[in-house]
Amino acid sequence: DGGITQSPKYLFRKEGQNVTLSCEQNLNHDAMYWYRQDPGQGLRLIYYSQIVNDFQKGDIAEGYSVSREKKESFPLTVTSAQKNPTAFYLCASSLTGGTDQQYFGPGTRLTVT
Amino acid sequence: GQSLEQPSEVTAVEGAIVQINCTYQTSGFYGLSWYQQHDGGAPTFLSYNALDGLEETGRFSSFLSRSDSYGYLLLQELQMKDSASYFCAVRDGSDSNYQLIWGAGTKLIIKP
Repeated sequence: DGGITQSPKYLFRKEGQNVTLSCEQNLNHDAMYWYRQDPGQGLRLIYYSQIVNDFQKGDIAEGYSVSREKKESFPLTVTSAQKNPTAFYLCASSLTGGTDQQYFGPGTRLTVT
Repeated sequence: GQSLEQPSEVTAVEGAIVQINCTYQTSGFYGLSWYQQHDGGAPTFLSYNALDGLEETGRFSSFLSRSDSYGYLLLQELQMKDSASYFCAVRDGSDSNYQLIWGAGTKLIIKP
């Protein structure tokens, strides 16, 4: 079955530690996205990539980093520089960067204490 | 600035019809999308309007008026499983990056 996988579903870290969230898709989509969702809020774009080896900052990129070495994979690193990292992180993909329908993974709930 | 406004919460009765409105203010506009998200789950795509008018998909319909910068999602024959948050999103291509800009979401509460 085609889809997007994110792992792990729940992640706990101590303050000051970097953590990497995994996102893999087998939909053969060119574009991939990382969003952050806080309770009762909409989605805010962290980073996006329209093609392999290229990515752009979204609205809230500070304290995060990404890589896009393979079409299928778009990992997100939450660094210790991110001041409020506890949130629900959603990865998505779309056929191209200009396509509206985005397909989402199940999300990773990160808690930093 | 760019913004989307939708009501934070709407309550309706099972079997009824409900309309969720969305007004937007963006520097570019390429279309209005709607997504559904159940608690703790991932958003799923419902509909997309690029042109004015009504698009119908089963019990769900979506409407767009570009001149009014306004759209709505209409849910008919409400079922308990429709209890979820609904997000409108606008594709803004003004910077050629075609990012989706998201509303804060409308929580739909359905009562038996």
